[in-house]
Amino acid sequence: DAGVTQSPTHLIKTRGQHVTLRCSPISGHKSVSWYQQVLGQGPQFIFQYYEKEERGRGNFPDRFSARQFPNYSSELNVNALLLGDSALYLCASSFSPIGTARETQYFGPGTRLLVL
Amino acid sequence: GESVGLHLPTLSVQEGDNSIINCAYSNSASDYFIWYKQESGKGPQFIIDIRSNMDKRQGQRVTVLLNKTVKHLSLQIAATQPGDSAVYFCAENTGNQFYFGTGTSLTVIP
Repeated sequence: DAGVTQSPTHLIKTRGQHVTLRCSPISGHKSVSWYQQVLGQGPQFIFQYYEKEERGRGNFPDRFSARQFPNYSSELNVNALLLGDSALYLCASSFSPIGTARETQYFGPGTRLLVL
Repeated sequence: GESVGLHLPTLSVQEGDNSIINCAYSNSASDYFIWYKQESGKGPQFIIDIRSNMDKRQGQRVTVLLNKTVKHLSLQIAATQPGDSAVYFCAENTGNQFYFGTGTSLTVIP
């Protein structure tokens, strides 16, 4: 069975640009969460989506947005990129929303974003 | 925000020895915990989980211990192998989020 997939694997952008990252969850999983992982640190929660609705948001500016599609795949959008947005962006999926039933989440390989 | 921290940022062990990685968490309301392994250039990989109504859980070569009194988790890896070299994270579930620690880098010396 395919795990969580993410695209692209690597991306280089310049300050002020916009980026869209994509995620496909494990088949049957309806919840997708996005994390930002800066080098040398643990993942930091950005968003959780379940059944196309936002179910949680971390401490990130409004430049970060996301959405989930009817097939449960998801996009993370970041506007007006800053140098500090350079990081590994991880997507994780679970069957149910995090927080409802001690739900295990599984991660994809991530998209490495470099902002110049 | 939440605070999930690790006592040791790096750990080196001889191949075949047992490894113990520790983690402190701050929210006594957290009721579910996961240990992840992250190899260079890859996403975190699920290792083992434990719910707050348990003190110990065992998997294949791994054991997680939970001490709710002092809000402490540990991951024990038996007979550590070179393939175990990675960064290990503990994650605690509070509400609709998982909070991750900084990570411990485990190096296995052949």
